[in-house]
Amino acid sequence: EVQLLESGGGSVQPGGSLRLSCAASGFTFNIHAMSWVRQAPGGGLQWVSTISARGVTTFSADSVKGRFTISRDNSKSTLYLQLNSLRAADTAVYYCAKMSTSPLSFEHWGQGTPVTVSS
Amino acid sequence: DIQLTQSPSFLSASVGDRVTITCRASQAISSYLAWYQQEPGKAPKLLIYAASILQNGVPSRFSGSGSGTEFTLTISSLQPEDFATYYCQHLYSNVYTFGQGTKLEIK
Repeated sequence: EVQLLESGGGSVQPGGSLRLSCAASGFTFNIHAMSWVRQAPGGGLQWVSTISARGVTTFSADSVKGRFTISRDNSKSTLYLQLNSLRAADTAVYYCAKMSTSPLSFEHWGQGTPVTVSS
Repeated sequence: DIQLTQSPSFLSASVGDRVTITCRASQAISSYLAWYQQEPGKAPKLLIYAASILQNGVPSRFSGSGSGTEFTLTISSLQPEDFATYYCQHLYSNVYTFGQGTKLEIK
C-alpha cells in the first residue's frame, strides 16, 4: 500500500523558514517524480513544485521560485520542501503527491501538513 | 501559463441526478488532463487521468471526456458520498495548474 507521510509543518513568523518532509513507502520511490501541492484555508489547490525521479530536474510555480526548494533523498525514500522567506500568503496545508509515470497524474497524496505564517 | 476554468463553481443536485462539470483550458492541452475529488478535511483523490481513463477503484458512474481545450467530468447517478469538491488539472507543460474547483452540494 502506498503511504506518504508529511511532517515539518508548524507556525512561523514572516521571513522565517521551515523544511517539510514526506516519507514514502509501499512503492519504488526512485522511479517516480514527486510533487508538492498546497491549499490555503478555504481555497483551492495550488501546484507548488515537482522533482524528477532521480532529482535531476525541478520546476516550481512562479509564486515560490527563489524561496522554496524541492529535493529528494532516494536512499531514504523521502521528499523535501525547503521554505524560506515565508509570507502570510504561504499559509496553507502542504500535500506531497506521487506522480504516475505515464500518462501523468498525481496518483497518490499524503494527508498534508499545515504551515501558518503569522506575526 | 495555461489557465483552467471550471464551470460551474457551485452545483446543487440530488441523489440519483446526472451531473456534468466542465473544464476549459486557455490553450490546447491534448488529453493531458486529470480530475480529482476532495472531501472536506481530506486529501484529494485521483478520479480520472489522460482526460478519460478511470483510476483503479473509482466507481464506473464517473467518466471523463474531451481533448484540446474542453473537458467534462460526468457523474451518471449521484451517490451521497459524491458530494465533494472536484478539481481539474493539466499536465501538459511544466506548470501543473489546477482549476478553481467545483463544489457539489446536496439540494
